[in-house]
Amino acid sequence: LAKTTQPISMDSYEGQEVNITCSHNNIATNDYITWYQQFPSQGPRFIIQGYKTKVTNEVASLFIPADRKSSTLSLPRVSLSDTAVYYCLVGGGYNKLIFGAGTRLAVHP
Amino acid sequence: EAQVTQNPRYLITVTGKKLTVTCSQNMNHEYMSWYRQDPGLGLRQIYYSMNVEVTDKGDVPEGYKVSRKEKRNFPLILESPSPNQTSLYFCASSLRGTQDGYTFGSGTRLTVV
Repeated sequence: LAKTTQPISMDSYEGQEVNITCSHNNIATNDYITWYQQFPSQGPRFIIQGYKTKVTNEVASLFIPADRKSSTLSLPRVSLSDTAVYYCLVGGGYNKLIFGAGTRLAVHP
Repeated sequence: EAQVTQNPRYLITVTGKKLTVTCSQNMNHEYMSWYRQDPGLGLRQIYYSMNVEVTDKGDVPEGYKVSRKEKRNFPLILESPSPNQTSLYFCASSLRGTQDGYTFGSGTRLTVV
């Protein structure tokens, strides 16, 4: 099972771009990289998923280098409502999400 | 609206009194799971189901039971709750599993005294 490493916490200000990097050195060939967001006392929310290169949706971008040993979640122009814990997930098969400690992002006015 | 619905949202019970936390999804998803979240331990999987009548243990199944008699419902049963099962519980569902992303319910905060 791939293990992920991400910063414990990050601080940013409204309107800035935030990049959260996740390291997953032991990623398997068939593993996807998925990011979830969680607000206090709420269930995690799927943000974005990718396998390689770059993926973009309406809320974020995910950058994955060719070796796939890391990935970067990019949140453009964050607001106060983006304050949350962000989890990078790799592996686990179809049935299980393996959550690490996540990155606690604090967005300040 | 596509969603996973858990009930109740909050529950305080006494040790040994059987309880059921219900989970229902309206997206015709095959995969369903239960997780518990504890400070310092993160989110851990309790049980999962890949389809009707197909269930299996996750990482922390002790003290829990589940059933999947219909595709939409996946109740979590605590036959004899103990204080160490005080936690925040989440039900989640997905069409094709981790490759699709999971949709989580709003959570059930359980306190066992």
